[in-house]
Amino acid sequence: DIVMTQSPDSLAVSLGERATINCKSSQSVLYSSNNKNYLAWYQQKPGQPPKLLTYWASTRESGVPDRFSGSGSGTDFTLTISSLQAEDVAVYYCQQYYSTSSFGQGTKVEIK
Amino acid sequence: QVQLVQSGAEVKKPGASVKVSCKASGYTFTTYGMHWVRQAPGQRLEWMGWINAGNGNTRYSQKFQGRVTITRDTSASTAYMELSSLRSEDTAVYYCARAPRADNSYYYMDVWGKGTTVTVSS
Repeated sequence: DIVMTQSPDSLAVSLGERATINCKSSQSVLYSSNNKNYLAWYQQKPGQPPKLLTYWASTRESGVPDRFSGSGSGTDFTLTISSLQAEDVAVYYCQQYYSTSSFGQGTKVEIK
Repeated sequence: QVQLVQSGAEVKKPGASVKVSCKASGYTFTTYGMHWVRQAPGQRLEWMGWINAGNGNTRYSQKFQGRVTITRDTSASTAYMELSSLRSEDTAVYYCARAPRADNSYYYMDVWGKGTTVTVSS
């Protein structure tokens, strides 16, 4: 099974500043035949289900603000919030869907 | 609008089974897949399995193989997840989540239900 490890477990960022969350997979999630990384990012607020932010590592879901961006390839990925807003306080999860889907442990983002 | 409406909270005794439903609306049910994911208190999200809502093919996590059954009723645009031999560790919120295509399980989850809380307690 592919193990997903996120860092840090939590971070506090000032409003308007950049937040960066890392996600590492125990093996590559890049499928060579189509050159796609099978990696998604989700945002979960308390009492709510997760919400899809990006998929194929860097494709932003429709309606997601452009301050959210995903990057990376192979085993190392990053979710960046370019200018943190109050409504971005949440737990963020990465997910691989290359091989029987698995999620990272989550990163809690708070306001400093 | 696209919506997944799940059944209500359940309380079960150890050893029992639970069946959670997920009614889809706002899209053509049979042209998408459906994942089931659970989240135990304070734990990460955990993928349980998937169904091709068109032909009924399924794929399960090895962890739940033999205990979980995912089915669908195309006439009702509803997917079901049944978990048997419940134990206290199965206490969790269970989510259905749409896969953007039906052909295989190797997809992300673009629409989520609100979740169904299952509590296992004697």
